[in-house]
Amino acid sequence: EDKVVQSPLSLVVHEGDTVTLNCSYEVTNFRSLLWYKQEKKAPTFLFMLTSSGIEKKSGRLSSILDKKELFSILNITATQTGDSAVYLCAVEGNEKLTFGTGTRLTIIP
Amino acid sequence: GAVVSQHPSWVICKSGTSVKIECRSLDFQATTMFWYRQFPKQSLMLMATSNEGSKATYEQGVEKDKFLINHASLTLSTLTVTSAHPEDSSFYICSALTGNQETQYFGPGTRLLVL
Repeated sequence: EDKVVQSPLSLVVHEGDTVTLNCSYEVTNFRSLLWYKQEKKAPTFLFMLTSSGIEKKSGRLSSILDKKELFSILNITATQTGDSAVYLCAVEGNEKLTFGTGTRLTIIP
Repeated sequence: GAVVSQHPSWVICKSGTSVKIECRSLDFQATTMFWYRQFPKQSLMLMATSNEGSKATYEQGVEKDKFLINHASLTLSTLTVTSAHPEDSSFYICSALTGNQETQYFGPGTRLLVL
């Protein structure tokens, strides 16, 4: 059975801190790993990772995939209150998309 | 952990027919379920919020007569794509909120191909 596990479940930090969110997976016929940010309604797409070791970067956010150890991390530097959200990791494989339960990130001003 | 299933996983249908997709919470009761559609470049669009025992709340631009949602029990919501057209071909994903509304569990998705 495909599985995606995110950690921590919840994280509270002060504005300006750097955070690292973790996603580990066990998926048959891995195709890609996706990171989303969910604030209110639909999750907003952040990154798609398919290759190991290649960092994807967008502003203060970056992510990398390790296909050997089956995990990915999402880094957010110089956090702002607008980064407060649930961050979801999802893995595509075998025509399925398996989501983790997310990490709830709260940034305190 | 909590599991949400979708049935079927894959469906191919002819244009003009209707297709029903089921979303079930297997080990918890969900008063609220969501239906999403995945677009190219991996973006997810929220179609509607399904509330047990009441009418679904549709997002702007989503035709409620075309995408019928029924949430008849605390563990089952269905999405029926009526008079399907090729442009309805997509990956449809549901999710369910736990009773305390704290965690959202996603289903594995249903891929619909309309010929």
